[in-house]
Amino acid sequence: ILNVEQSPQSLHVQEGDSTNFTCSFPSSNFYALHWYRWETAKSPEALFVMTLNGDEKKKGRISATLNTKEGYSYLYIKGSQPEDSATYLCAFYDNQGGKLIFGQGTELSVKP
Amino acid sequence: GAGVSQSPSNKVTEKGKDVELRCDPISGHTALYWYRQSLGQGLEFLIYFQGNSAPDKSGLPSDRFSAERTGGSVSTLTIQRTQQEDSAVYLCASSPPGLAYNEQFFGPGTRLTVL
Repeated sequence: ILNVEQSPQSLHVQEGDSTNFTCSFPSSNFYALHWYRWETAKSPEALFVMTLNGDEKKKGRISATLNTKEGYSYLYIKGSQPEDSATYLCAFYDNQGGKLIFGQGTELSVKP
Repeated sequence: GAGVSQSPSNKVTEKGKDVELRCDPISGHTALYWYRQSLGQGLEFLIYFQGNSAPDKSGLPSDRFSAERTGGSVSTLTIQRTQQEDSAVYLCASSPPGLAYNEQFFGPGTRLTVL
């Protein structure tokens, strides 16, 4: 059974704080790792699709790194804003099954 | 352009009734996925359609669940004899042809409540 773990489960920060979360995934048979943001009452939205060890991706104040050999990815948010409040999901692409295996998510709350 | 749409957005039903949930994927997307999120749980894979291939039903939790995709486009997820543990948000996603691990585009979900 493929397991994808995210930590922490939830995080409460003040506006302006920088924060990061972790996604752990199987280090064998790696193809891709996805990060999604899921805001309340909206659809999950893709942030990054990462495929290469050592890859770093950035979108505005959000960035992600990938270590496929040890099986982890970090998502960083610099200078958190209230609009960053959402659940952040990572998903490991299971090539044998041809589908994404999602972690349980990190729920971020940013207080003004 | 139009995104993935799902209907209904909310469904309240009584235990034992059948329900149908609909998903309209983005035009041209060949892959279609169904997931659900129960309270306090992560996104759970249910079923996956890819083009004209036989669907991957490995995530369906029981034989009360079934899904079909007509004409390679619209999909319907049917839950027969609903139980309270079926209460969840049911999400549909589609992805374009090309790389198997392309990003998925999600619909807004259907919140199912079984009383």
